[in-house]
Amino acid sequence: DTAVSQTPKYLVTQMGNDKSIKCEQNLGHDTMYWYKQDSKKFLKIMFSYNNKELIINETVPNRFSPKSPDKAHLNLHINSLELGDSAVYFCASSPQGIANYGYTFGSGTRLTVV
Amino acid sequence: TQLLEQSPQFLSIQEGENLTVYCNSSSVFSSLQWYRQEPGEGPVLLVTVVTGGEVKKLKRLTFQFGDARKDSSLHITAAQPGDTGLYLCAVPRGSGNTGKLIFGQGTTLQVKP
Repeated sequence: DTAVSQTPKYLVTQMGNDKSIKCEQNLGHDTMYWYKQDSKKFLKIMFSYNNKELIINETVPNRFSPKSPDKAHLNLHINSLELGDSAVYFCASSPQGIANYGYTFGSGTRLTVV
Repeated sequence: TQLLEQSPQFLSIQEGENLTVYCNSSSVFSSLQWYRQEPGEGPVLLVTVVTGGEVKKLKRLTFQFGDARKDSSLHITAAQPGDTGLYLCAVPRGSGNTGKLIFGQGTTLQVKP
């Protein structure tokens, strides 16, 4: 039973299209995140939601819009995709107090914009 | 400038060898975490260290938090091909539900049979 599941695993699309990535966690965690991992494997936070409320928005272009219908789900919608958006996007969740508990990550969505 | 500097960036060794990877910073942290990421998967938490000088062991992996809580090391004894992966250190910034993890750029380890 997967703790944090993301769909789709792979996404290939043309520039200018709009796409969504879905994430669900069954751990009962209060906080969910989106991270972007670039071609050099560097992981950078994009957004954080706590119990459906946006907590962190790390100066991500407004073409990226997260949505959290409930605390178990956090989706990411991307408008007008650009070549530079190609990356692996990870969803993660944590209980309150990440200092000791850390994150549980999904297996990632590899987005390729052509 | 990165908050966390990991070294080496790449490491390729033979099965059975020992190795140490490092995570350094000029900042002081309340805690530090190590993750391992295998190809096609998300990072998986290995350990959290909290106290300066703390040493934790996970089978053949030994983690140490620096006395000043600015750096950490991961030592692997008798490496196995199954240890292959990207090793990431991370530190929490902020607190409670506004916190986030900041990651180093990682060390890619390849263990050849």
